[in-house]
Amino acid sequence: DAGVTQSPTHLIKTRGQHVTLRCSPISGHKSVSWYQQVLGQGPQFIFQYYEKEERGRGNFPDRFSARQFPNYSSELNVNALLLGDSALYLCASSLEVFSNQPQHFGDGTRLSIL
Amino acid sequence: GESVGLHLPTLSVQEGDNSIINCAYSNSASDYFIWYKQESGKGPQFIIDIRSNMDKRQGQRVTVLLNKTVKHLSLQIAATQPGDSAVYFCAESYYNQGGKLIFGQGTELSVKP
Repeated sequence: DAGVTQSPTHLIKTRGQHVTLRCSPISGHKSVSWYQQVLGQGPQFIFQYYEKEERGRGNFPDRFSARQFPNYSSELNVNALLLGDSALYLCASSLEVFSNQPQHFGDGTRLSIL
Repeated sequence: GESVGLHLPTLSVQEGDNSIINCAYSNSASDYFIWYKQESGKGPQFIIDIRSNMDKRQGQRVTVLLNKTVKHLSLQIAATQPGDSAVYFCAESYYNQGGKLIFGQGTELSVKP
């Protein structure tokens, strides 16, 4: 079975641009979460979506937004990119939205801002 | 505040030895804990999880111990192999935060042949 898939794998943007990152969850998983991982640190929670609704949001500015589609895939959008947005963006999926369930991660999108 | 920390940022072991990676968590309300392995260029890979109503859980070559009294979590890897070399993260969550995972900094495990 396919795991969590993310696209693109790498992306280079310049300051002020916007970016859209995509994620397809494991088949049967209804919840998708997004994390940002800066080099040398653990992932930081950005959003969680379940049944197309936002169920949680981390401490990120409004430049970050996301949505989930009827097929449970998801997009993360970042506007007005800053140099500090350079990071690995990870998508994770789980069966449901509750805790006590493992989240499974994709290999991420490496975003570089010039 | 919300944080999950690791005592040792790096750990070097000989192939065949047992490895122990430690983690301290700060939120006594956390009820679910996960260990992840992250290899270079890859996303975190699920290793093992444990719920707060358990003290110990075993998997294949791995054991997770939970001490709620001192808010401490550990991952034991038996007969460590070169393929175990990676960064290991512990993460916590609690029910009223849904599935939000709080990660620690990570411990880099290096296995010497």
